[in-house]
Amino acid sequence: ETGVTQSPTHLIKTRGQQVTLRCSSQSGHNTVSWYQQALGQGPQFIFQYYREEENGRGNFPPRFSGLQFPNYSSELNVNALELDDSALYLCASSLDLDRYSGNTIYFGEGSWLTVV
Amino acid sequence: AQKVTQAQTEISVVEKEDVTLDCVYETRDTTYYLFWYKQPPSGELVFLIRRNSFDEQNEISGRYSWNFQKSTSSFNFTITASQVVDSAVYFCALNYGGSQGNLIFGKGTKLSVKP
Repeated sequence: ETGVTQSPTHLIKTRGQQVTLRCSSQSGHNTVSWYQQALGQGPQFIFQYYREEENGRGNFPPRFSGLQFPNYSSELNVNALELDDSALYLCASSLDLDRYSGNTIYFGEGSWLTVV
Repeated sequence: AQKVTQAQTEISVVEKEDVTLDCVYETRDTTYYLFWYKQPPSGELVFLIRRNSFDEQNEISGRYSWNFQKSTSSFNFTITASQVVDSAVYFCALNYGGSQGNLIFGKGTKLSVKP
């Protein structure tokens, strides 16, 4: 039990639609990251939010966007869904994550997205 | 380039056997952190260990042990006397200075422990 909760757990969307995934970070954690995990692959970093500002982004197009709220919860939005967006989306939280801290990163159970 | 390689895609053992999962990493940074995570079928990544680049001491936690060798850029994970509950996908990950604290994952090793 990591204290990181995600919703919804499973969802099915049609190509071209938009989706919003939600994450509540562990209490006191001010850093949230999102990862995409395709079947049979390791998670890939999408972006990170630190105190409501995006401060790192992986190799994902702009149709992947996010928000972090004052209570440090977060949303991942994906517009114009494509079939290849079908994956497990993982949210991770940590405290003051920067290049020097190396703090432990805790993951939620993920949201399984299927695009048809 | 920053990279993590887990050469073993799948491993199958019989309960009570010892098993070692290999992890080789690449980074130019001198300060970095290495992690192991366990992913059961439910999908959640369960944190197992974090090791910084300045601490090469091996670590043991119950049936789990980790061997960190900077000379070979490896961070291997051994499960002693494996159990069926150890069946999962195991990921090795790298967090280096230029990654803003985020993780570079290997492709994972699927471990199946049969009774």
